[in-house]
Amino acid sequence: DAKTTQPPSMDCAEGRAANLPCNHSTISGNEYVYWYRQIHSQGPQYIIHGLKNNETNEMASLIITEDRKSSTLILPHATLRDTAVYYCIVGRYGGATNKLIFGTGTLLAVQP
Amino acid sequence: EAGVAQSPRYKIIEKRQSVAFWCNPISGHATLYWYQQILGQGPKLLIQFQNNGVVDDSQLPKDRFSAERLKGVDSTLKIQPAKLEDSAVYLCASSSPRGRGYGYTFGSGTRLTVV
Repeated sequence: DAKTTQPPSMDCAEGRAANLPCNHSTISGNEYVYWYRQIHSQGPQYIIHGLKNNETNEMASLIITEDRKSSTLILPHATLRDTAVYYCIVGRYGGATNKLIFGTGTLLAVQP
Repeated sequence: EAGVAQSPRYKIIEKRQSVAFWCNPISGHATLYWYQQILGQGPKLLIQFQNNGVVDDSQLPKDRFSAERLKGVDSTLKIQPAKLEDSAVYLCASSSPRGRGYGYTFGSGTRLTVV
């Protein structure tokens, strides 16, 4: 079973920041937080991951609380093309036995 | 780098028929996964290969589903006989431990409709 809890859907106005929350209260010390998104009719796409520090890349920022029990994915300037299902996943990094276990994600609808 | 290739893109079959899906992972990726995604749900892992060996097939319905990766490169997933509830998108992914976020890369999937 997925070890994360996300709201089923969110709306965001185009050009505004989209803040997607995720709860992972049972995360263990060596587990990372990963975010993937799935645009309609495509396979999931990697966005960002982190362990305990906040992370930023060209797509998004990831804010992880100090107790690591929750995190927020931030899309700084959402566009219509960011409309997708966003999955928050926790798991270990690397290794032959590791795998991604998906929940139901958050459907982000960016409105014009 | 080239992505994960899957074929066919779409398939419609009648129940009790058989069907096969093909996946070619990213070159050099030792780990390959097959996921089943039913409409409105997140992807569900069916089977995981490391090279040509099975690491995890605990969620694979073995009475009707089978998968192989004979030479440790491309893989096939077969369903025989198909049921109506097998209608879903079948996603293949590959990963390298040196990549980011596990280095998972997904294909576009095969959409199966069983009628």
